[in-house]
Parts: sequence; structure tokens; C-alpha cells
Amino acid sequence: EAQVTQNPRYLITVTGKKLTVTCSQNMNHEYMSWYRQDPGLGLRQIYYSMNVEVTDKGDVPEGYKVSRKEKRNFPLILESPSPNQTSLYFCASSGGQGAGGYTFGSGTRLTVV
Amino acid sequence: GESVGLHLPTLSVQEGDNSIINCAYSNSASDYFIWYKQESGKGPQFIIDIRSNMDKRQGQRVTVLLNKTVKHLSLQIAATQPGDSAVYFCAETRGGTSYGKLTFGQGTILTVHP
Repeated sequence: EAQVTQNPRYLITVTGKKLTVTCSQNMNHEYMSWYRQDPGLGLRQIYYSMNVEVTDKGDVPEGYKVSRKEKRNFPLILESPSPNQTSLYFCASSGGQGAGGYTFGSGTRLTVV
Repeated sequence: GESVGLHLPTLSVQEGDNSIINCAYSNSASDYFIWYKQESGKGPQFIIDIRSNMDKRQGQRVTVLLNKTVKHLSLQIAATQPGDSAVYFCAETRGGTSYGKLTFGQGTILTVHP
């Protein structure tokens, strides 16, 4: 089944403790992206990647890092999480032009206390 | 800053009615638009897209209309069903592609009553 897989689905952590949210897609998509979703603010793009080793900032990149060492994986790294990063995070991938938009994962709900 | 927004945050309809969800965008450089549906506890799901060189595009029970003059697009759902209840987002990007930097509107909650 074609899908984007995120892990974990739920995570509670403490301020300052580094964490990684993994994302993997099995569709051989070149393009991947991370979003956060907050009430009243909708979905905001954090980072995106157009290919292996090619990443760029979205609208809200501060406090996040990403890497794209392999085509299928696009982990999101929070080096020093803070409570304002408590949010619902989505990873997505796309086959590019004409592919009909991004395919989203099921989400990771992160709580930073 | 420039962003994609929605006129109506909530919409309630009766089963079988047609639904229209609206979206306004402010950046005239936007040239590719996508509608997503998000059900509770799930990620957004692609519904339909349209490029700026088109005014209308139809899918299965859905139609997207684009009015570049007033920077407005809409999603029409025919014969709305309870399974259509969800949050609907429009998204825009520049460069004519479905990848890269996407900007989403805040969403419209559609509730379909049996």
C-alpha cells in the first residue's frame, strides 16, 4: 500500500530533550515536506525537500532541523524542544508536477512540557 | 504577509444538498491550487487541484472554480453525503507544481446532517 509513515503517533517530552520524528514513504517520491497544525493557524510548512540532500525552509523553520540522506526518509529533528512546539505534525510526500498534491502521513501529536 | 484564507469557517448542509466552500488568496503570483479534506484524526487527503491557466476543473462529485480576477477559488461538492463531513483546506503554491512551499488556508468545517 502506498503510504507515508510517521513515528511515533504520540509523544510527550520535556523541554530541551532532543527528539526525532521519523517519516518514510514507499512511493519513490522526490518531494517531501513537514507541516505543523495548530488550532486557528491551520497547516504551516516547516521544511521541504525536493530531492536527496536538497532541503529548504518553509514558513516556520525556527527550532527545527531536517535531513534527506535517502529518498524515502525525511526525519524532523527538534534539537531543544520548547512548549511552543507542542503541536500536531504531518509529514507529506509528492511525486511532483501533475502528481496531484502531497500524500500526508497520519500525524504525530507532540507535547512538550 | 500574503496567505490563503477562507470566507466561512463552518458550513452545515443537509444530506443530498450541494456544498460550496470558498477560499480567497492574496498573492497574484499563486498559480497552482489544491483542495484537501481532513477527517478527524487523519492527515489531509488530496481532493482536486487546478492550475491558474484553468477556470474550472471537475472530479467525481467535486468541482473547483478559479476566479483569478478576484483571487478566489471554490470547491463545490454535489449531493453531499455524511461521509463528506470534514475540514476542507485550500492550499496554494507558486511555480505551477504540486510540491515545494505550500501555503494553506485555515480551513472550513463542513457538517452534513442526515
